[in-house]
Amino acid sequence: DSGVTQTPKHLITATGQRVTLRCSPRSGDLSVYWYQQSLDQGLQFLIQYYNGEERAKGNILERFSAQQFPDLHSELNLSSLELGDSALYFCASSVAPSSGYEQYFGPGTRLTVT
Amino acid sequence: GQQVMQIPQYQHVQEGEDFTTYCNSSTTLSNIQWYKQRPGGHPVFLIQLVKSGEVKKQKRLTFQFGEAKKNSSLHITATQTTDVGTYFCAGRVDSNYQLIWGAGTKLIIKP
Repeated sequence: DSGVTQTPKHLITATGQRVTLRCSPRSGDLSVYWYQQSLDQGLQFLIQYYNGEERAKGNILERFSAQQFPDLHSELNLSSLELGDSALYFCASSVAPSSGYEQYFGPGTRLTVT
Repeated sequence: GQQVMQIPQYQHVQEGEDFTTYCNSSTTLSNIQWYKQRPGGHPVFLIQLVKSGEVKKQKRLTFQFGEAKKNSSLHITATQTTDVGTYFCAGRVDSNYQLIWGAGTKLIIKP
């Protein structure tokens, strides 16, 4: 158990809909990262927050957005969903502001868009 | 852009054979991390290498960081079924302090 929690574990929704994925980092970690992993693919970095502020952006679509709240949990919002958005979405946390430190991954949320 | 190339994409081995995955960066890295993702699981941190030419061992796993800090390798001796999974490298670039992830190498044990 990494100490990072993600909800829900599974999500099935239809094209055009909007969903919110939630992540709680390890106790004491200030950075939260979001990744997308399509079937049997690598990890695509989406976005990072540190202590409530956006720190770095990766290949995140405009239809996607995220935020980190004062209690440090983070939410990833995916809107106007397309079939191609079906993937495993991981949240990771680390103690430091830059991503060059060990990251602890949550169990992921599996999103299926039908 | 900055990239970390990881090869091979897949490696099929008989149990007991060795396994190696390689990562090559287009730019000098300040450090490199290795993660393992079991089937159906999430990536788990294995190790971080920082120094030029560094070699670290964890039981049957040997991790190396190149002299130029642009390449790294993970070697597993005498693979076991518990080694099955995908191994990712991720290199830190000083210019923006971000991690650049390799595409992963999937270790498959032949039945």
